[in-house]
Amino acid sequence: LAKTTQPISMDSYEGQEVNITCSHNNIATNDYITWYQQFPSQGPRFIIQGYKTKVTNEVASLFIPADRKSSTLSLPRVSLSDTAVYYCLVGDPGYSSASKIIFGSGTRLSIRP
Amino acid sequence: KAGVTQTPRYLIKTRGQQVTLSCSPISGHRSVSWYQQTPGQGLQFLFEYFSETQRNKGNFPGRFSGRQFSNSRSEMNVSTLELGDSALYLCASSLGPGQGMNTEAFFGQGTRLTVV
Repeated sequence: LAKTTQPISMDSYEGQEVNITCSHNNIATNDYITWYQQFPSQGPRFIIQGYKTKVTNEVASLFIPADRKSSTLSLPRVSLSDTAVYYCLVGDPGYSSASKIIFGSGTRLSIRP
Repeated sequence: KAGVTQTPRYLIKTRGQQVTLSCSPISGHRSVSWYQQTPGQGLQFLFEYFSETQRNKGNFPGRFSGRQFSNSRSEMNVSTLELGDSALYLCASSLGPGQGMNTEAFFGQGTRLTVV
């Protein structure tokens, strides 16, 4: 599974758009990029998954450039409840199964009023 | 539909004892994985089961073991507990390999194990 690098922490304010970038230079052809959110003392929660270009759902957008060596999770108009740790993961769900997930250190996002 | 259920939520054990944790996956999910989360080491993969067979194993000592039953429910066991085993143990379920794009893993709330 490809190693990922993301900022250790980020701060922002309510109502702002937050972009968290993840580097994955050795991503393989069959790898997908997945982001999870984790609150203290809870299990991680799936946010979004993509392979290339742009993916959008009701909570976030995921931007992936053509070379796929990085990706950016975009959270529109954050609120205090978005304060959490965000993990970027890269892997081939068809081969290794999504359940064998290697988590990096994650990005601790703090939202202020 | 019901989410992933882990029992118990909290547990206190003494060094040297053994412990068994339980995980009931989402109905229809056949893949279950276990993770250990500590402040120092973060989230670390323990093992993965699919159709009652262990498919992958992380870098943990043999004191950590698991199994999966025919109904996909899974248990993990830790024998001869050490203080360093104190952690949040998380279980995740998913449909299984080869499902393509829709392979998100659903995590339970975890079992908080404290070894004293």
